[in-house]
Amino acid sequence: DVKVTQSSRYLVKRTGEKVFLECVQDMDHENMFWYRQDPGLGLRLIYFSYDVKMKEKGDIPEGYSVSREKKERFSLILESASTNQTSMYLCASSLLGRYQPQHFGDGTRLSIL
Amino acid sequence: QKEVEQNSGPLSVPEGAIASLNCTYSDRGSQSFFWYRQYSGKSPELIMSIYSNGDKEDGRFTAQLNKASQYVSLLIRDSQPSDSATYLCAVNSIRGGTSYGKLTFGQGTILTVHP
Repeated sequence: DVKVTQSSRYLVKRTGEKVFLECVQDMDHENMFWYRQDPGLGLRLIYFSYDVKMKEKGDIPEGYSVSREKKERFSLILESASTNQTSMYLCASSLLGRYQPQHFGDGTRLSIL
Repeated sequence: QKEVEQNSGPLSVPEGAIASLNCTYSDRGSQSFFWYRQYSGKSPELIMSIYSNGDKEDGRFTAQLNKASQYVSLLIRDSQPSDSATYLCAVNSIRGGTSYGKLTFGQGTILTVHP
């Protein structure tokens, strides 16, 4: 079974802090994704990566950056956290290609105070 | 027009009935289609994938795809209260000519199965 592990289930941070969300997958997947999910807005893609050190912006990259130094690990960084970044953050991974489903981690519920 | 549209519901069905969930998509080049189930407070879980026109059955679940009509559906037979969840339709995105496995998700349909 695919295992996607997110480092924290719940996280509380303060405005202006630099926040790191970590995601690790154990299936040698090329693709990794970061989404946020908010009521009424659905899943929105922040960034994705299809290879080590490669990244592409998703639909809502503003205020975020990412890092992928190793194939199994994809980090989401909130450079200066703001209250409007309070959300559920979901990491997913998949094999490369158009027929591959994505597999999700358990999510991190992030609150910015 | 949204790229992937679902009826938001909520859809309420009695236990034992057939639940029918619908999804339309705008990109005619899309080639893979997925249904995810998401329980409240949990992450999405893949339950079905379909790539060719027609029906695909897996236990109580049947996915149906009609590429000409740009329509994909999920039928849940003998619905159980444990099927109560949000169901997300996802379609592979090929905007810009490349895919890399990107998916576009619908907003989800909330299903409630009452005893």
